[in-house]
Amino acid sequence: AQSVTQLDSHVSVSEGTPVLLRCNYSSSYSPSLFWYVQHPNKGLQLLLKYTSAATLVKGINGFEAEFKKSETSFHLTKPSAHMSDAAEYFCVVSDRYRGSARQLTFGSGTQLTVLP
Amino acid sequence: DAEITQSPRHKITETGRQVTLACHQTWNHNNMFWYRQDLGHGLRLIHYSYGVQDTNKGEVSDGYSVSRSNTEDLPLTLESAASSQTSVYFCASSSAGVTAGELFFGEGSRLTVL
Repeated sequence: AQSVTQLDSHVSVSEGTPVLLRCNYSSSYSPSLFWYVQHPNKGLQLLLKYTSAATLVKGINGFEAEFKKSETSFHLTKPSAHMSDAAEYFCVVSDRYRGSARQLTFGSGTQLTVLP
Repeated sequence: DAEITQSPRHKITETGRQVTLACHQTWNHNNMFWYRQDLGHGLRLIHYSYGVQDTNKGEVSDGYSVSRSNTEDLPLTLESAASSQTSVYFCASSSAGVTAGELFFGEGSRLTVL
């Protein structure tokens, strides 16, 4: 079985300060891990993915995440927040051997607020 | 540009009525999915399809049905709408063979059942 826990439902940062959104996962097999972003009244968009290559993954808009197997974590970071980063972020885990999206498990989401 | 569109974007209906939400993609993707999004639950899979004439149940399929008669469309039908089905519904697609999880999402359909 697989599961994902986003440790913060809301995070507020000031513009220009670092962003950290935390995600822990549980998986019976070697997982694939993803971060999706959802802007208000929009669909979800893939931000970045980990699929067993480099453990530090770079995504769009300056975001990156590090896969830490020993800590079962996949935290999302950005060095400097921008107002346009305000959105909801979802951590997603998939048991890779399944190879199909029916095995995706979504976290409950973290709402990021960026203060001017 | 290829896209995935949902209609209607907003719908209000009454308990017991049949409702159909449309999903149309021009990516030529084989895989299509319907999710519902509720506060505190992330996204939960309702139904999915891996190709024409193929449909499968997800984790919250009770009260919903889908049909896949062509590559582009996967309509979601609520046979008899219930207040518990008030939610935001997202359609998504992916191409066969890509790493699981690379989904392209529509902008959502907000359904209110009174």
